[in-house]
Amino acid sequence: GENVEQHPSTLSVQEGDSAVIKCTYSDSASNYFPWYKQELGKRPQLIIDIRSNVGEKKDQRIAVTLNKTAKHFSLHITETQPEDSAVYFCAASGNAGKSTFGDGTTLTVKP
Amino acid sequence: EPEVTQTPSHQVTQMGQEVILRCVPISNHLYFYWYRQILGQKVEFLVSFYNNEISEKSEIFDDQFSVERPDGSNFTLKIRSTKLEDSAMYFCASGQLTTNEKLFFGSGTQLSVL
Repeated sequence: GENVEQHPSTLSVQEGDSAVIKCTYSDSASNYFPWYKQELGKRPQLIIDIRSNVGEKKDQRIAVTLNKTAKHFSLHITETQPEDSAVYFCAASGNAGKSTFGDGTTLTVKP
Repeated sequence: EPEVTQTPSHQVTQMGQEVILRCVPISNHLYFYWYRQILGQKVEFLVSFYNNEISEKSEIFDDQFSVERPDGSNFTLKIRSTKLEDSAMYFCASGQLTTNEKLFFGSGTQLSVL
């Protein structure tokens, strides 16, 4: 089955700096790669996603890049703010809809 | 904006008891899922359900677990005889026909097995 690895497990940045989280996946059949932000006790909230026919996608301060050949994708957050502090999960999914999640990255943005 | 709703938000039960977690998916969605998240860990897939049958299940989803769509709106997860290690947050999710991999998560049910 699919295996998703996520790094780093924790990331601390100064407000205004950029944050980058990286994931690799194993199943070449995976074609959908969402990123979720999860605050304590809350549901995972989709913040951006990318499909395998696209290499990069941007939404304001958030961008995702995908390298299908290397089977890795990354989340980039620019101009970080304290409210960006949360746990971020990457995931990989195929046509059946089952998503395999990474282990999560705890992002702390220090004011 | 339509949402997936889950009840109850918290459930406390004794080991060995049966629990039923309830979900109301978004009304025009046709794919339904249960995921769980043990405190401090990642979100894990349990089961997917489409066209009134299980389409895929994980190793976690053993004979103690079952799912049902008893009517046109509810989707339930039953744990027949709960164990301590079943304590987790259980998330229901639903997806549309054409983009079923895009998940819409409910707010979760925190299950505590004592």
